[in-house]
Amino acid sequence: GAVVSQHPSWVICKSGTSVKIECRSLDFQATTMFWYRQFPKQSLMLMATSNEGSKATYEQGVEKDKFLINHASLTLSTLTVTSAHPEDSSFYICSASGGTYGYTFGSGTRLTVV
Amino acid sequence: TQLLEQSPQFLSIQEGENLTVYCNSSSVFSSLQWYRQEPGEGPVLLVTVVTGGEVKKLKRLTFQFGDARKDSSLHITAAQPGDTGLYLCAGEEDYKLSFGAGTTVTVRA
Repeated sequence: GAVVSQHPSWVICKSGTSVKIECRSLDFQATTMFWYRQFPKQSLMLMATSNEGSKATYEQGVEKDKFLINHASLTLSTLTVTSAHPEDSSFYICSASGGTYGYTFGSGTRLTVV
Repeated sequence: TQLLEQSPQFLSIQEGENLTVYCNSSSVFSSLQWYRQEPGEGPVLLVTVVTGGEVKKLKRLTFQFGDARKDSSLHITAAQPGDTGLYLCAGEEDYKLSFGAGTTVTVRA
């Protein structure tokens, strides 16, 4: 079956620094990748959709300069949280789709900004 | 983004009881998916329903898709503590998913 690997699984960073999260499709080519944010005991909120080789499409209210998304290859997308602040602390989850595969989710990244 | 309403928000039952989770929308979806999520993990797909009126069974789980493809339900028979988790419905439209708010299910031994 399709597998999506997300790293790191957790990260703690200082306020003002940037953090990069990687999302890899291990056994299929992901033409589209999605990035979600999830607060405790709440649902997944779509942040942006990215297609390989093109600029990401951000959902309303999501700052594109704050959350930089790169989808340079069919197996890798990255989310960089720039100048992170405590309010950016959250659980970030990626999802990938491509070919005959539906939506496969990564295991998530717990970001804590101190 | 199309709105999916999920109910109830929380459900706590005794082992062996049955439970039903509902997912409703005013919009039509090309497909509807149910996921289960454990704390600190990503969602795991349980089922995808595509056809209006469709019923799918997965062991003790029964999924229904409404005739108009706007609503769905998940029924668990004889719930077990291993069924504890966050259940999420998600509607697909324009090649992306919109998630419901989720139902936190706790099955007490």
